[in-house]
Amino acid sequence: DTGVSQNPRHKITKRGQNVTFRCDPISEHNRLYWYRQTLGQGPEFLTYFQNEAQLEKSRLLSDRFSAERPKGSFSTLEIQRTEQGDSAMYLCASSSTLGDGYTFGSGTRLTVV
Amino acid sequence: AQSVTQLGSHVSVSEGALVLLRCNYSSSVPPYLFWYVQYPNQGLQLLLKYTTGATLVKGINGFEAEFKKSETSFHLTKPSAHMSDAAEYFCAVSHNNAGNMLTFGGGTRLMVKP
Repeated sequence: DTGVSQNPRHKITKRGQNVTFRCDPISEHNRLYWYRQTLGQGPEFLTYFQNEAQLEKSRLLSDRFSAERPKGSFSTLEIQRTEQGDSAMYLCASSSTLGDGYTFGSGTRLTVV
Repeated sequence: AQSVTQLGSHVSVSEGALVLLRCNYSSSVPPYLFWYVQYPNQGLQLLLKYTTGATLVKGINGFEAEFKKSETSFHLTKPSAHMSDAAEYFCAVSHNNAGNMLTFGGGTRLMVKP
């Protein structure tokens, strides 16, 4: 078990471009979460999956944000037409339903220039 | 709705001194409470959690926290600070333990002076 893996670690993109981040959760965890963290703030919930079902997506920041978890394993978070305000750390976490809490990945830091 | 307030965005202590990081929450239902630590350019690591039962919770690295329902608080303490404790600390609340959403406070940066 190598923990929650996120790729890439860093992404620099030009405004208006699309970006996609990947998260590989702990293999036995069926829940997967995405959070955004801006500088000096706590993480902000975006969305979560239980297996392949996206059970909460109302907190996604705009319709430019979307997430998938097609086979209930890894997940992707896509931001279309990036804006400078999207610059942040995007964190993925996973958990089981047994109540052991979340395990976070190291995050993907996005910089939009 | 639930929210978390961490009093003091920066706390500075001397090595060997008591660490006290404050967290107050609001929740319309019995909360589950968590403390996480974040080192630079890394994800968050769970320090400890309160779900039910004993209100004094012990975590990793010598940290502990006490759930006080009457004060809606979950302050984090450590008797003796170590240089390696310097990091950002986040308090979070959830409605259930492995549930659908954690709400985080704004974080407290702990600085440890030699």
